[in-house]
Amino acid sequence: GAVVSQHPSRVICKSGTSVKIECRSLDFQATTMFWYRQFPKQSLMLMATSNEGSKATYEQGVEKDKFLINHASLTLSTLTVTSAHPEDSSFYICSASPTINTEAFFGQGTRLTVV
Amino acid sequence: AQTVTQSQPEMSVQEAETVTLSCTYDTSESNYYLFWYKQPPSRQMILVIRQEAYKQQNATENRFSVNFQKAAKSFSLKISDSQLGDTAMYFCAFMRHSGAGSYQLTFGKGTKLSVIP
Repeated sequence: GAVVSQHPSRVICKSGTSVKIECRSLDFQATTMFWYRQFPKQSLMLMATSNEGSKATYEQGVEKDKFLINHASLTLSTLTVTSAHPEDSSFYICSASPTINTEAFFGQGTRLTVV
Repeated sequence: AQTVTQSQPEMSVQEAETVTLSCTYDTSESNYYLFWYKQPPSRQMILVIRQEAYKQQNATENRFSVNFQKAAKSFSLKISDSQLGDTAMYFCAFMRHSGAGSYQLTFGKGTKLSVIP
């Protein structure tokens, strides 16, 4: 199957700083990527849809100025958590799919801890 | 909007036994896909099995099979000959098919499965 790589796997940052998470499709091009947030023992909550070459689409309740998404190429989407606060601590997961394939492939996830 | 319901937050099964995880969904779409994903302690999401709504035949992948009841909007997962490595969170997911090639997954809340030696 296709491979999606997410980096870093873990990051600890200080309150008020920004953190960037990368999501790469290694062996296919993805015009669309998705970013999820997962709280402990809960399901994946869709945060936003990342569209190559255009603005991301955010789900209701997700602050687009806090969670900046950039999809500058067909293999890379980035999520930047700006001015991070402890409540932003969570597990973030990206997914992507080859354009004509309906199966979603997931990155390994990033555990963000804001101290 | 689509909703996916998993009514069993936790389940356990003896090794080598069979277990069935339940999932129901609600949609007005006629063309869609259903999935079961496994999330082990590593938290990597792993596709277990998928089902196209237009196919009447239930999908099967080795020890994993589904019972897809389209009219009832039910999509249960049966795991046969359970193994210790099957211990994980299992998420049922709905994907709406778009002719433009885009898609969106909606997940259920998950079922934590423990396989007991």
